[in-house]
Amino acid sequence: DTAVSQTPKYLVTQMGNDKSIKCEQNLGHDTMYWYKQDSKKFLKIMFSYNNKELIINETVPNRFSPKSPDKAHLNLHINSLELGDSAVYFCASSQPYQETQYFGPGTRLLVL
Amino acid sequence: SQQGEEDPQALSIQEGENATMNCSYKTSINNLQWYRQNSGRGLVHLILIRSNEREKHSGRLRVTLDTSKKSSSLLITASRAADTASYFCATDAFQGGKLIFGQGTELSVKP
Repeated sequence: DTAVSQTPKYLVTQMGNDKSIKCEQNLGHDTMYWYKQDSKKFLKIMFSYNNKELIINETVPNRFSPKSPDKAHLNLHINSLELGDSAVYFCASSQPYQETQYFGPGTRLLVL
Repeated sequence: SQQGEEDPQALSIQEGENATMNCSYKTSINNLQWYRQNSGRGLVHLILIRSNEREKHSGRLRVTLDTSKKSSSLLITASRAADTASYFCATDAFQGGKLIFGQGTELSVKP
């Protein structure tokens, strides 16, 4: 059973398009995160939600909008995709203020 | 600048040897964690050390933390080819669960 799952695994799209990435966790965690990993493997947090409420919102272009329909899901919608958005996006989850985070397998986004 | 910086950036050793990776950070922390990332996969939590701890072991892993020097090291003993992966340190700096990652050490263990 996959603890944190993401769809799709790969996403190839044209500049200017809008796309969504979905994340689901079956660990019963209240807190979920989105991270971006660039081509140099640098991993940076983008957003964090606790029980559907946004608690961390890093300096991310407002073309990126997270949505949490329930505490087991955190989706990421990206408008007007740019070349620089090409990266691997990871979803993660944890219990609130529990330190260990559990990561999904990643979504590899390539913007052409 | 980044919170976590790791060295070396890449490390190549033979199976059976020990691998040591270092991480430095800049601000006060609640804890420091190490994660492993196999090629094309997500990150897997390895070990967590709290700011009031100096050393921790888990199987073949040994982590040290020196808060006065703001540095940590991860030692993998008796390495195996399956240990080949990227290793990241991440600091939790009392910001509601926000982890700040270093750029990682790419470890290659040759059989």
